Amino acid sequence: DIQMTQSPSSLSASVGDRVTITCRASQGISNYLAWFQQKPGKAPKSLIYGASSLQSGVPSRFSGSGSGTDFTLTINSLQPEDFATYYCQQYNSNPTFGGGTKVDIK
Amino acid sequence: EVQVMESGGGVVRPGGSLRLSCAASGFTFGDYGMNWVRQVPGKGLEWVSGLNWNGGSTGYADSVKGRFTISRDNAKNSLYLQMNSLRAEDTALYFCVRVSGSYFYYYAMDVWGQGTTVTVSS
Repeated sequence: DIQMTQSPSSLSASVGDRVTITCRASQGISNYLAWFQQKPGKAPKSLIYGASSLQSGVPSRFSGSGSGTDFTLTINSLQPEDFATYYCQQYNSNPTFGGGTKVDIK
Repeated sequence: EVQVMESGGGVVRPGGSLRLSCAASGFTFGDYGMNWVRQVPGKGLEWVSGLNWNGGSTGYADSVKGRFTISRDNAKNSLYLQMNSLRAEDTALYFCVRVSGSYFYYYAMDVWGQGTTVTVSS
């Protein structure tokens, strides 16, 4: 199975900050990489697929990049509603998720 | 509206069985691959099982292989997860998840249900 390593596991940031979360795959997955946002008590919400394509309705302050084994989720100008936990997930083979990154208020 | 809704969760003793169901609506269910994903409260997401559009190809996490069986009935727009030999570590919130194409991988997960809770306890 492909292992997904996400970092950091948590971070503190302020409204307006730029936030970067990284995800590394244990082997190459081309661009079969998705990012999800999850708030407490809610189901995950799809943000990005294909490593860099924004799901419909997702604000443009979210962006994704990378290919192969190294990927990045960037949130430009963090908004109050962005405080949540973020997960990467590969779907090049049987799906696997990263461990998550909790973004909280500094 | 495109949606999926899980049911069938509950409390079961170790070694027992439970069958989860997922009802799909708002899209042509038989065109899409489907997955089950679980989450222990306060912990991360874990893929459990998936199958392609016609059920002809399935996959399982090592943690459930040989105990869980995924299936679908396209005529009823429904997905199922038969869980046998349940263990305490299977306690979690189970999500039904659609992918954006016909196979359960190679396509991104895009529609999530709200989940159904399974508790395995004596």
